[in-house]
Amino acid sequence: NAGVMQNPRHLVRRRGQEARLRCSPMKGHSHVYWYRQLPEEGLKFMVYLQKENIIDESGMPKERFSAEFPKEGPSILRIQQVVRGDSAAYFCASSQWGGHSNNEQFFGPGTRLTVL
Amino acid sequence: DAKTTQPNSMESNEEEPVHLPCNHSTISGTDYIHWYRQLPSQGPEYVIHGLTSNVNNRMASLAIAEDRKSSTLILHRATLRDAAVYYCILRDQRTGTASKLTFGTGTRLQVTL
Repeated sequence: NAGVMQNPRHLVRRRGQEARLRCSPMKGHSHVYWYRQLPEEGLKFMVYLQKENIIDESGMPKERFSAEFPKEGPSILRIQQVVRGDSAAYFCASSQWGGHSNNEQFFGPGTRLTVL
Repeated sequence: DAKTTQPNSMESNEEEPVHLPCNHSTISGTDYIHWYRQLPSQGPEYVIHGLTSNVNNRMASLAIAEDRKSSTLILHRATLRDAAVYYCILRDQRTGTASKLTFGTGTRLQVTL
């Protein structure tokens, strides 16, 4: 059973460009979470999605960031008009159940975004 | 969310047991205690979790104080592959926020030969 997959692993963008980060959850998982880890900082929750629905986006910046998890295909985290402060590692996690404090979240290897 | 406090760093010798402490004095009765770890350049991985009783699994043991205001993650025989940042996280089962993990600064464990 393949784990959580993220691509690309490394992404370089110039200021003002768009970044698209993809996450394929583990087989059988319908709950996806995105976290961001800024350099020398801890992981911060961004958004929680279930198939076709955003459940909790309390950690998402209000502008330029969006996320989706369509019925078919991977979850996408999209950052428009990137700035240098967006440079970070973005981790995706998935779980079989959601809204439950016992569910284990399985993390992908992350996408390291560098904005020049 | 209830807060946790962990030492910034700890060191251990290989093959020795390691006890990683976590204080959570404001824990509520419905908070589960979870531990995750993050190896260098990797995503976090689940280690163990518990509510009141001590727990064991193939990776580690979790000892929970009787008043639940603290817990200790025990690695029985540390190896170089256990060098990581260990995060102690409380998750409230009552609310929808149980879905997200709130990471603190964690404990950076160094393992030496």
